[in-house]
Amino acid sequence: AQSVTQLGSHVSVSEGALVLLRCNYSSSVPPYLFWYVQYPNQGLQLLLKYTSAATLVKGINGFEAEFKKSETSFHLTKPSAHMSDAAEYFCAVTSNTGNQFYFGTGTSLTVIP
Amino acid sequence: DTAVSQTPKYLVTQMGNDKSIKCEQNLGHDTMYWYKQDSKKFLKIMFSYNNKELIINETVPNRFSPKSPDKAHLNLHINSLELGDSAVYFCASSPVGNEQFFGPGTRLTVL
Repeated sequence: AQSVTQLGSHVSVSEGALVLLRCNYSSSVPPYLFWYVQYPNQGLQLLLKYTSAATLVKGINGFEAEFKKSETSFHLTKPSAHMSDAAEYFCAVTSNTGNQFYFGTGTSLTVIP
Repeated sequence: DTAVSQTPKYLVTQMGNDKSIKCEQNLGHDTMYWYKQDSKKFLKIMFSYNNKELIINETVPNRFSPKSPDKAHLNLHINSLELGDSAVYFCASSPVGNEQFFGPGTRLTVL
């Protein structure tokens, strides 16, 4: 079965600083990789997804993620944090058959003014 | 034109009661899911239904039962509610092998 590890359950950055949220998946390459964002008291919203078309994936709100097979990673970045980016972020992968989802434990992002 | 909707948004009830949470999706997706999110934000998948067949059932107490009257609906029924059932429950849907679309969640509080 696939597994997902998100290093750092809490990340704090200053407004305007680089955002880096880490995600590693288990060794077999999953068909799809995703980042979701959850704002307070809301459901999860898709930020971006990797489907093997390109290793660098651009998402909404200025976020992007790079798929690195050699590192089994799919880290999420944003060049300049905004106060509105404060939220919970989840990395997710599908199974090889595509019919099961595996979520990471989430990373809470705090943006300091 | 909400894609995935859940009712109610908030549910407060006493221990031992039976309650249901409804979920509807208008996206035409084949698969629907129920997740439980605890106070630490950890997401645990409970069930998924594909074409009215249960395809995932993690280690969830049998007090929880999914009911799918048709492809657009997946309701969650909970018997004999316990304090530990307090959480936010999310419904989601997806086409096969693609991203999931989440509902807004139902915050269940068991007193």
